[in-house]
Amino acid sequence: GENVEQHPSTLSVQEGDSAVIKCTYSDSASNYFPWYKQELGKGPQLIIDIRSNVGEKKDQRIAVTLNKTAKHFSLHITETQPEDSAVYFCAASMHFGNEKLTFGTGTRLTIIP
Amino acid sequence: EPEVTQTPSHQVTQMGQEVILRCVPISNHLYFYWYRQILGQKVEFLVSFYNNEISEKSEIFDDQFSVERPDGSNFTLKIRSTKLEDSAMYFCASSLDRPPLYEQYFGPGTRLTVT
Repeated sequence: GENVEQHPSTLSVQEGDSAVIKCTYSDSASNYFPWYKQELGKGPQLIIDIRSNVGEKKDQRIAVTLNKTAKHFSLHITETQPEDSAVYFCAASMHFGNEKLTFGTGTRLTIIP
Repeated sequence: EPEVTQTPSHQVTQMGQEVILRCVPISNHLYFYWYRQILGQKVEFLVSFYNNEISEKSEIFDDQFSVERPDGSNFTLKIRSTKLEDSAMYFCASSLDRPPLYEQYFGPGTRLTVT
């Protein structure tokens, strides 16, 4: 089955700087890659996703890149703010016939004011 | 904005007891899921449900687990005889159609503590 690795496990960034979280996946059949933000005591919240027919997607301060050849994808947060502090999870899923999301191990991001 | 809701927020039970975790998915969504997250670990898929039957289940979802959509709005997860290792955060999710066409939206979770 699919295996998703995520790095780093913790990341501290000065407010205003950029943060990058990286994930690799094992199954070349995966073609949907969402990113979730989990705040303390809450469920995962979808923040951005990318499908395999594109290499990059951007939404304001958040961007995701995908390299299907290397089987890795990354989350980029620019101009970080204190409210960006949370645990971020990447995930992967396959198209049709397999609906489950396989999650990475999570990255605890701390923004230092 | 519509959201997935879950009750209770925290459930404490003794080993061997049955528990039912409840979820109300977003009203026009068609696919429903249960995931769990053991403290400090990754979110793990348990089961997906569509058209009143299980679509897929993981190896974690053994005979002690069952799901049901009893009344067209609620979606429940039952654990028949809880074990200590069932202690975890359980998340319900729903989506409008089969991913990756539509995203999965998660509820706030139920923390299950088995003593």
